[in-house]
Amino acid sequence: GEDVEQSLFLSVREGDSSVINCTYTDSSSTYLYWYKQEPGAGLQLLTYIFSNMDMKQDQRLTVLLNKKDKHLSLRIADTQTGDSAIYFCAESSGGGADGLTFGKGTHLIIQP
Amino acid sequence: NAGVTQTPKFQVLKTGQSMTLQCAQDMNHNSMYWYRQDPGMGLRLIYYSASEGTTDKGEVPNGYNVSRLNKREFSLRLESAAPSQTSVYFCASRRSTLTGELFFGEGSRLTVL
Repeated sequence: GEDVEQSLFLSVREGDSSVINCTYTDSSSTYLYWYKQEPGAGLQLLTYIFSNMDMKQDQRLTVLLNKKDKHLSLRIADTQTGDSAIYFCAESSGGGADGLTFGKGTHLIIQP
Repeated sequence: NAGVTQTPKFQVLKTGQSMTLQCAQDMNHNSMYWYRQDPGMGLRLIYYSASEGTTDKGEVPNGYNVSRLNKREFSLRLESAAPSQTSVYFCASRRSTLTGELFFGEGSRLTVL
């Protein structure tokens, strides 16, 4: 079945770049997503990338997609304390009504 | 701009009790979803509703029932709560099948003693 894998923790220093990695198994994935969850809150969409794209940049966020290796990454430039959260990678086969498949989430820890 | 609203936000139940989690969206979305979130497990799909009048099982449906009351509302019912159902429950709705983006509620934290 479909599977999305992420490392559980990432620790970075304030001001450095954070890179969160994700691998997925469904080769028919058409959209891949990054969601952010702050403590006690729901998930909020950060960004998404269509499968025919290699890169997408949005202010401090850069998403890289290697479709051959089924690898997705999220880079956060100039990481701030407000970036401390859980980041979920998710994939969708597109058009289906059965929701998204989520990874287990990466806890991003910011060191001063 | 409410988006997806869930009630209650917190609930404590005893084993065997029943309860219903309510969810409503005001974005005119067709599809709605219930997920549960457990530590180290990520989000797992319980049930979903592709449109008003239809519901389907997700990855972990056992012990739950759902009702799509109308286009706005999608409820999740626990008929006989078990400690294994202690979790944070999220309702979500889908803006369009083109992008597949899900919009989430704030979550309902349920503890079963």
